Amino acid sequence: EVKLVESGGDLVQPGGSLRLSCAASGFTFSDHYMDWVRQAPGKGLEWVGRSRDKVNGYSTEYPASVRGRFTISRDESKNSLYLQMDSLKTEDTAVYYCARNWKDSSGYWVDYWGQGTLVTVSS
Amino acid sequence: DIELTLSPSFLSASVGDRVIITCRASQYIGRSLGWYQQKPGKAPNLLIYAASTLQSGVPSRFSGSGSGTEFTLTISSLQPEDFATYYCQQIKSYPLTFGGGTKVEI
Repeated sequence: EVKLVESGGDLVQPGGSLRLSCAASGFTFSDHYMDWVRQAPGKGLEWVGRSRDKVNGYSTEYPASVRGRFTISRDESKNSLYLQMDSLKTEDTAVYYCARNWKDSSGYWVDYWGQGTLVTVSS
Repeated sequence: DIELTLSPSFLSASVGDRVIITCRASQYIGRSLGWYQQKPGKAPNLLIYAASTLQSGVPSRFSGSGSGTEFTLTISSLQPEDFATYYCQQIKSYPLTFGGGTKVEI
């Protein structure tokens, strides 16, 4: 059974840092692209970044809104995905989801999500 | 960035209704579009990918169509469990983007 369990969400002051973790199980972690997606309270979904699979060197992609502030990494030995968030802003307040992608001929689609972890940026 | 516009943003419907939600892309994305359903307090769930392919386990009352810049999600006969918010997502190019959501309520 595929499971994704996020942790690390907390209340942090503007300008602060936080690291989220996503523990993956039930599949070969290194074979899959992984995404972080967030959802501000009462708002829609926003893609926060991607870690490609091992074959692609775990290379990453980010939207402009977080590039240079957020960093995605993995620890193969722990089957874990991380989101290091620096220089946090109040607009980063959201539930953060870890998501697994699977590869279809048409591209990479998210088929499993974690339960989410809440990050609140406030003074 | 590719902007996705969902319409309507809010839809009031009844059980048994046929519901159609439209997603328009600001530029050509081929068939690189997926549809997600999200219920309150839960993570999204993939319904349709590649514009029209039904994800495994999703009821056949859900269908998707379209290509290029205009796409639709159709629920042929709305069921009580379908009251939720629906999002489209494009995977054609980075940054990946979602539409703002369509909330389907009674």
